[in-house]
Amino acid sequence: QKEVEQDPGPLSVPEGAIVSLNCTYSNSAFQYFMWYRQYSRKGPELLMYTYSSGNKEDGRFTAQVDKSSKYISLFIRDSQPSDSATYLCAMSEKGAQKLVFGQGTRLTINP
Amino acid sequence: DTEVTQTPKHLVMGMTNKKSLKCEQHMGHRAMYWYKQKAKKPPELMFVYSYEKLSINESVPSRFSPECPNSSLLNLHLHALQPEDSALYLCASSQGKRASGYTFGSGTRLTVV
Repeated sequence: QKEVEQDPGPLSVPEGAIVSLNCTYSNSAFQYFMWYRQYSRKGPELLMYTYSSGNKEDGRFTAQVDKSSKYISLFIRDSQPSDSATYLCAMSEKGAQKLVFGQGTRLTINP
Repeated sequence: DTEVTQTPKHLVMGMTNKKSLKCEQHMGHRAMYWYKQKAKKPPELMFVYSYEKLSINESVPSRFSPECPNSSLLNLHLHALQPEDSALYLCASSQGKRASGYTFGSGTRLTVV
């Protein structure tokens, strides 16, 4: 079993839809949770960073962490074609230098 | 524009060549990382430098040799690579030792022929 599981998709939705991306994990020591967006042939770009459980909102993006269920989510509201990319969840233990990534979900927003 | 700059953006090298990848950041970050990413796969950690000292080597073959000349620069020296080493090589940096909120560069796309 992988430490972090993420459905690779692909996921295709119409413009304006609400998108829900999810990851599950098995390591209860993970304390830091991140979502990265990666466009084709580019490096990953940090979108959201959350410590421990709870919600965090930034514009059209909302990140949720449920440590009791070992489940994290990223919601994108009013999705735009420019949101088409691969979304990677990542997490780390407290004090660790290594990020553990999910497989990434390929998302396409259709105009 | 990313605040982690990687050069070159593309590199084609033969299996007997020696080349180097370069990475530079001016954010005052004290941890720098090399990751390797194959197509449609997540990044895989190769090396971590913390305060200019190698702190993690993820059992990477010796044909990859990292170097951190100062707190802003990170190099990856390549020698006698194999075609399966073709990938996107990503540099990242983070503040302090904690692996939260990495900033990644755009990567060097390496092809070994």
